[in-house]
Formats: sequence, C-alpha cells, structure tokens
Amino acid sequence: ILNVEQSPQSLHVQEGDSTNFTCSFPSSNFYALHWYRWETAKSPEALFVMTLNGDEKKKGRISATLNTKEGYSYLYIKGSQPEDSATYLCARNKAAGNKLTFGGGTRVLVKP
Amino acid sequence: GAVVSQHPSWVICKSGTSVKIECRSLDFQATTMFWYRQFPKQSLMLMATSNEGSKATYEQGVEKDKFLINHASLTLSTLTVTSAHPEDSSFYICSARRGARTNEKLFFGSGTQLSVL
Repeated sequence: ILNVEQSPQSLHVQEGDSTNFTCSFPSSNFYALHWYRWETAKSPEALFVMTLNGDEKKKGRISATLNTKEGYSYLYIKGSQPEDSATYLCARNKAAGNKLTFGGGTRVLVKP
Repeated sequence: GAVVSQHPSWVICKSGTSVKIECRSLDFQATTMFWYRQFPKQSLMLMATSNEGSKATYEQGVEKDKFLINHASLTLSTLTVTSAHPEDSSFYICSARRGARTNEKLFFGSGTQLSVL
C-alpha cells in the first residue's frame, strides 16, 4: 500500500450498536499513527497517537489497535451514541519526519 | 485543553485579490504549525510546515510565492493566498504542535472555507 487509506468511507450505525473501521498505511518507515475525530463545524480533535506494534489504546467507549508490521489500525466504537457521529481521520507519521499523511476519513452517522 | 483559533471561518473574494488567514494558539506556544488544504471528498493535504522565526517548508507542488506563510511568533501563523483564482477555492485548515517531538498530537483550528469568484 502506498498511501493512507480508510475504509469504509462512510457508515451508518444504530444507536447502541458497536462498530469498527480500518486505517491502512505503508508499513515501511513507520513512526506513529494518529486518530482524530472531526465533528461538523468543529476542529479535529486528537483521540490517540500510537507508536508500537500491538499498541491498544482506549478513551471511554472508543478504542484503537495498531499493527505496524502489516500496516493497519482499527478504531472501535462500543455502544455507539449520536454524539459519536463524526468523521474519523487517521494519519501516519513517517520515520524522523514532521509530515503527517492523512487518510480520507470514515464518516460515521449514528442513528437514534 | 489546548485551543487553536483560526479566522476567518469563511471568506468570499474576487479573483486577483489576496486573502489572509490567521491561526493562533491561544493557551500554548506552538513550536511548529502546519497548513493543510482539503478539496471536496479528498484527504487533508499538507501544504507547508512553519517554525517560528524561520522560513516555511513547502510541500512539492505548492507555490511558495502564491501561498505566503508567516510565523512571526510562537502563537501566530498566517497564510496569505496572493492573487487568488477560482482554482484556489478550497478548505484551508491549520494545526499546531506544542512540543518538539514529531509524534505528538496536533491541535487544529476549525478551518477556513475560501471561495474565489
């Protein structure tokens, strides 16, 4: 994989259901993987920064895992709530570089 | 939490005019600020990286004479789109890094929607 890719582009979730989606990235020269939540008309907000293979991080009902060898990260939302509706962005730091390369985002809509 | 303020939120201008967008870190000193552009249905694309007191580093394909970046203090960076044309219409957003480590999380402004007529 050459770029940071996120799938699906969008998904609808029923309130109370759990969901997950994927960020795929080049595994070579990996330094860090970021997840951001971006609500409409607001600023993107950092969720996690992950650096080590096998990392798992959790913030409330949201958690993320990281596999640097195969180049993917999963974001999980447990018991989705309407306030979880947002676009979730992942971004990869290349080794020893400033640049963050972003994926296209997964737009999540939680239906009451 | 750290707050980054970006103004204006939206701007409409005539072709050939210049537009300045401000990005301020309100409660921290930003060692590095980043400017991104996002076209509809596309990813955030890094335009340039700026460090206080030094020249910005532009990404390949971004014209430095057209997109002027000034980072005069640790709390303010500005992006000026000079002689704007309709193809410059886009969403521009800044972010700031508080520390020096490259794997630190970023704090974002809320973005500026630029429409050039």
